[in-house]
Amino acid sequence: EVQLVESGGGLVQPGRSMKLSCAASGFTFSNYGMAWVRQAPTKGLEWVATISYDGSSTYYRDSVKGRFTISRDNAKSTLYLQMNSLRSEDTATYYCTRFTSLYLGVMDAWGQGASVTVSS
Amino acid sequence: DIQMTQSPASLSASLEEIVTITCQASQDIGNWLAWYQQKPGKSPQLLIYDATSLADGVPSRFSGSRSGTQYSLKISRLQVEDIGSYYCQQAHSNPNTFGAGTKLELK
Repeated sequence: EVQLVESGGGLVQPGRSMKLSCAASGFTFSNYGMAWVRQAPTKGLEWVATISYDGSSTYYRDSVKGRFTISRDNAKSTLYLQMNSLRSEDTATYYCTRFTSLYLGVMDAWGQGASVTVSS
Repeated sequence: DIQMTQSPASLSASLEEIVTITCQASQDIGNWLAWYQQKPGKSPQLLIYDATSLADGVPSRFSGSRSGTQYSLKISRLQVEDIGSYYCQQAHSNPNTFGAGTKLELK
């Protein structure tokens, strides 16, 4: 069974940093592109960042470029999101997602989500 | 960036009713369109990919269609377990934009 389990969320002050992790199991992690998607309270889904299967390519939405870094450790089957200079508008549930093997950009597995609250 | 205009924002329907949700892409994305379902308090789940292909385990009452740059999700006979929010997403290019969502409620 495919499982994605996020950790590392919580309350953080504006301007500070936080790192999310996503432990993957039930599939060969190193074969799949991955992404982070977030959802602000009572709002819709928003793509945040993507990383290729081998970590060689990364993409970010404009509002997080230069502040967030997506990375992966294929030996540990773990995806990361390092978030620096956090802002109140980054408050959201962050989902770790897996891309399908054939249709890049289509997310066929989602974690349960990690809640991040940016507030003083 | 490609914009995805989804409608309606909310929808109230009766059991066994036919429900249709649409998404309009701001430019040609071919069949690079997916639909997701998010039940209350849960993570989203993939329903349809490649505009018309059903994801594994999705009931056959769900279907997707395309006409040019307009995409539709149809639920042929609404069931209680279909209540929740639905999102379209273009997978053509980064950023992989989502529609604003449709909240589906029981009448």
